[in-house]
Amino acid sequence: QKEVEQDPGPLSVPEGAIVSLNCTYSNSAFQYFMWYRQYSRKGPELLMYTYSSGNKEDGRFTAQVDKSSKYISLFIRDSQPSDSATYLCAMSAGDTGRRALTFGSGTRLQVQP
Amino acid sequence: EAQVTQNPRYLITVTGKKLTVTCSQNMNHEYMSWYRQDPGLGLRQIYYSMNVEVTDKGDVPEGYKVSRKEKRNFPLILESPSPNQTSLYFCASSRREGGSYEQYFGPGTRLTVT
Repeated sequence: QKEVEQDPGPLSVPEGAIVSLNCTYSNSAFQYFMWYRQYSRKGPELLMYTYSSGNKEDGRFTAQVDKSSKYISLFIRDSQPSDSATYLCAMSAGDTGRRALTFGSGTRLQVQP
Repeated sequence: EAQVTQNPRYLITVTGKKLTVTCSQNMNHEYMSWYRQDPGLGLRQIYYSMNVEVTDKGDVPEGYKVSRKEKRNFPLILESPSPNQTSLYFCASSRREGGSYEQYFGPGTRLTVT
């Protein structure tokens, strides 16, 4: 079993829809949670960064972390065609040395105009 | 513009021919790392460096070498590439202080080994 599970999609939604992307994980030591957006032929771009449990909002994006359920979510409101990309969740146990991020395999999102 | 750059962006080579992928960042970050991205496996860390002359193995270091002689540069070396190293490679960097785990990625290098 992978440490981080993420539905690969593709997820296709109409423009303006609310999108929910999710990851589950098994390592209870994870404390830092991130969402990256990756456009085709580009490197991952950091979208949201959360420490421990709770919600964080940035414009149309909201990240939620539920450590008790080992479940994290990214919500996108009023989705736009420009949001079409692969979304990767990533997390870290807080090892200040290695700083390895454990990534999900990514969910491909398509927002139809 | 703050960025991480990689060269080359695309490379096709043959088994056993040594190659180097360069990585450079202009954000004065102490920490740098290499990942490979494969379908269904996500990104996996190859090597990382906490500072100049300090490097260590990640999850999949076999067949790779790195060096960190300058703070801004972190080249990835494949001494004898094999077809199973065909992949998409990303360099990343981040600050070290304050417990920051936000890593900034380069544009990627697509490597094909025949």
